[in-house]
Amino acid sequence: GDSVTQMEGPVTLSEEAFLTINCTYTATGYPSLFWYVQYPGEGLQLLLKATKADDKGSNKGFEATYRKETTSFHLEKGSVQVSDSAVYFCALTPLGTGNQFYFGTGTSLTVIP
Amino acid sequence: SQTIHQWPATLVQPVGSPLSLECTVEGTSNPNLYWYRQAAGRGLQLLFYSVGIGQISSEVPQNLSASRPQDRQFILSSKKLLLSDSGFYLCAWSYLDRDNSPLHFGNGTRLTVT
Repeated sequence: GDSVTQMEGPVTLSEEAFLTINCTYTATGYPSLFWYVQYPGEGLQLLLKATKADDKGSNKGFEATYRKETTSFHLEKGSVQVSDSAVYFCALTPLGTGNQFYFGTGTSLTVIP
Repeated sequence: SQTIHQWPATLVQPVGSPLSLECTVEGTSNPNLYWYRQAAGRGLQLLFYSVGIGQISSEVPQNLSASRPQDRQFILSSKKLLLSDSGFYLCAWSYLDRDNSPLHFGNGTRLTVT
């Protein structure tokens, strides 16, 4: 079945460090892929998305590229800030389902000054 | 633009008491609606989803139930809460019949059962 595997955390980085959070998926066909961010005590916010192979989603300095050949959607940011401290979730929705979503277990990121 | 409202933000209830959490969506029609639960420090668990009024799919058998009395209203209920029902409850919506539609989440309800 469809699933998302996300690197385990927690991840602790110094401010201005480079961030990578790995995400791989299993799905039939061509799912849409998403990254969500959850700040403490809040709901999940859509960070970026990609809907087809080789698409690059980007927002607030974060990027992720839909890699069909490696079934991956890794999240990257060149220079993290303290305000990026949050939990990040990778997710997919399979093509044609319209209402099914699969989430990774989340990766907690702490950025220290 | 579309907005999702979820309330209350926090709730403390004794074991055995009833529960009602409400969620409404504005700015769109016929959305898919979802209830998720997030235990402390853990991932998301889908509890219920709905593709239309009165149409509820349950993903996890438990003492919770959901109802959709109106197109953009989704209610999570319980007749008798258990300690294990404590958690962070999230309502979400997505566009019906759009393959690329992401989920849009509310701000959540923190439920503590004592």
